[in-house]
Amino acid sequence: KQEVTQIPAALSVPEGENLVLNCSFTDSAIYNLQWFRQDPGKGLTSLLLIQSSQREQTSGRLNASLDKSSGRSTLYIAASQPGDSATYLCALTGNQFYFGTGTSLTVIP
Amino acid sequence: EAGVAQSPRYKIIEKRQSVAFWCNPISGHATLYWYQQILGQGPKLLIQFQNNGVVDDSQLPKDRFSAERLKGVDSTLKIQPAKLEDSAVYLCASSSSTDTQYFGPGTRLTVL
Repeated sequence: KQEVTQIPAALSVPEGENLVLNCSFTDSAIYNLQWFRQDPGKGLTSLLLIQSSQREQTSGRLNASLDKSSGRSTLYIAASQPGDSATYLCALTGNQFYFGTGTSLTVIP
Repeated sequence: EAGVAQSPRYKIIEKRQSVAFWCNPISGHATLYWYQQILGQGPKLLIQFQNNGVVDDSQLPKDRFSAERLKGVDSTLKIQPAKLEDSAVYLCASSSSTDTQYFGPGTRLTVL
């Protein structure tokens, strides 16, 4: 069974700082990996999708990488802003769809 | 483009009662998912539909949970009878392929 771990569970940074969120998984037989954002009381919003054959994807200040051999993905957020405060979840599509437990990010003005 | 709609947004019931949630996916999306998200955890897939057929329901507690997607559009998820541990947010998502899923706002269920 796929195990998906996100560390740290919570993170607070001052505005403007660059930061990295981590996602680890145990089974490298995946189709793709997605990063989502979840705001309190709301559903999930897809941020980036990395296909199994790709190594990274970029969108604005966000960059996500995928290393299947080591079972890791990272989400890099440049020049963080208070509006980036949310919970960030990674999700893997393999035989099933697995979510990590999330990292709660707070960007302090 | 309208997003995924869910109702109700909040529901409070007592244990052993029954409850139903409704989801209307994005128009034209063939795949529909129901997830359960317990506080502090990531979403767990309960059931996946492709049109009106079930693709994966391996994590659906079938003794108390049921779901249907008649006509391959709207879907309902039912719990009968509810237990305290069913308290969670129930998320519905849809997609037009195996890639990006679009999520609704969720239904927060509290079982007392």
